Amino acid sequence: SQELEQSPQSLIVQEGKNLTINCTSSKTLYGLYWYKQKYGEGLIFLMMLQKGGEEKSHEKITAKLDEKKQQSSLHITASQPSHAGIYLCGADNTGGTSYGKLTFGQGTILTVHP
Amino acid sequence: DTGVSQNPRHKITKRGQNVTFRCDPISEHNRLYWYRQTLGQGPEFLTYFQNEAQLEKSRLLSDRFSAERPKGSFSTLEIQRTEQGDSAMYLCASTLSSGYNPGELFFGEGSRLTVL
Repeated sequence: SQELEQSPQSLIVQEGKNLTINCTSSKTLYGLYWYKQKYGEGLIFLMMLQKGGEEKSHEKITAKLDEKKQQSSLHITASQPSHAGIYLCGADNTGGTSYGKLTFGQGTILTVHP
Repeated sequence: DTGVSQNPRHKITKRGQNVTFRCDPISEHNRLYWYRQTLGQGPEFLTYFQNEAQLEKSRLLSDRFSAERPKGSFSTLEIQRTEQGDSAMYLCASTLSSGYNPGELFFGEGSRLTVL
């Protein structure tokens, strides 16, 4: 079965700093999803990547999928307290036929100090 | 707001009791999912429905767990004879299979179960 390893497990940064979270898969990624979760709440979809080398941005968050499709990174520029939360990567391990059965990493807890 | 709704949000029960959680998905979404999340871990897939049909169940879903979606709208997840290891957040999500990105799931805020 597919496993996703996220690093770091937790991150504390000062407001305004840039940061990167990594997600490494044990198998080829057919669909890689980034979600954000506030403590004790549900997940909110951020971005989805499918193609090797693909890069997407939303506001100050950029996600990339490497050419070999086994690693993704999430980069936040000029972090703000509103970015704080748990970031989760999830993989669609259905060989490209996405139907929502995702395998998630363990999450990265981000704290942003004002 | 017509997002995914889950009830109850919190449930504390004694070991051996039965509990039931309800999920109301976004109304036009035909796919509904249950995930379980324990502290410090990512969500784990339990089961999913397309309309009223339960199409897949994880091996994590023991015989004590049963999920239904009788009319293809709301869903219930029942846990019988609860054990302390069942303590977790139970997350429901929905999506539209014909949507642009059927892998984009819309999650509810979860139902937190504590088994004493």
